[in-house]
Amino acid sequence: GQQLNQSPQSMFIQEGEDVSMNCTSSSIFNTWLWYKQDPGEGPVLLIALYKAGELTSNGRLTAQFGITRKDSFLNISASIPSDVGIYFCAGQPLNTGTASKLTFGTGTRLQVTL
Amino acid sequence: NAGVMQNPRHLVRRRGQEARLRCSPMKGHSHVYWYRQLPEEGLKFMVYLQKENIIDESGMPKERFSAEFPKEGPSILRIQQVVRGDSAAYFCASSPLGQANTEAFFGQGTRLTVV
Repeated sequence: GQQLNQSPQSMFIQEGEDVSMNCTSSSIFNTWLWYKQDPGEGPVLLIALYKAGELTSNGRLTAQFGITRKDSFLNISASIPSDVGIYFCAGQPLNTGTASKLTFGTGTRLQVTL
Repeated sequence: NAGVMQNPRHLVRRRGQEARLRCSPMKGHSHVYWYRQLPEEGLKFMVYLQKENIIDESGMPKERFSAEFPKEGPSILRIQQVVRGDSAAYFCASSPLGQANTEAFFGQGTRLTVV
């Protein structure tokens, strides 16, 4: 089956630093999504990308859909303590015809120190 | 405007018992998706349902697992004769349409523990 390799697996950063994480796939995706999951909660959608090459921002978050359709990155600028959590990339394969038959990455665990 | 509601939030079952997980989609959403998340892993797709129809169950285990989304009431994920390996968080998502470029919203999940 399709796999998403997400890196890094975990990050320890200081408050105010910028963060970058990425996702690569062995196959093409139609849509890339980035989610944040807090402990004991469900994933919350941060950014959705629908076109190859698309660069989208949501506040301090910026994400890009790679030209090859096989990768995406997420940047967080000026991190704050509430950015702590697990960030997942997710891809919707081509021709699935469904909104959310998504393939999820393994997650990047972000911890922010003061 | 309530989001996707899942209950119970936590469920403990002994091996061999049945587990029933419920999901009420967001108002106006007619498409429901179930995912399973094992500890320290990402979510894995299980099944996609519309009202009264199973559209895609390619991620469902062949035995003991079933799902329904009746005309009235919530979607139900049913696990019969649970085993320890079924312990996981089960998430439901809903969307208004089952097409590309449609965002889905996740519930808070049901954490199933099999003892």
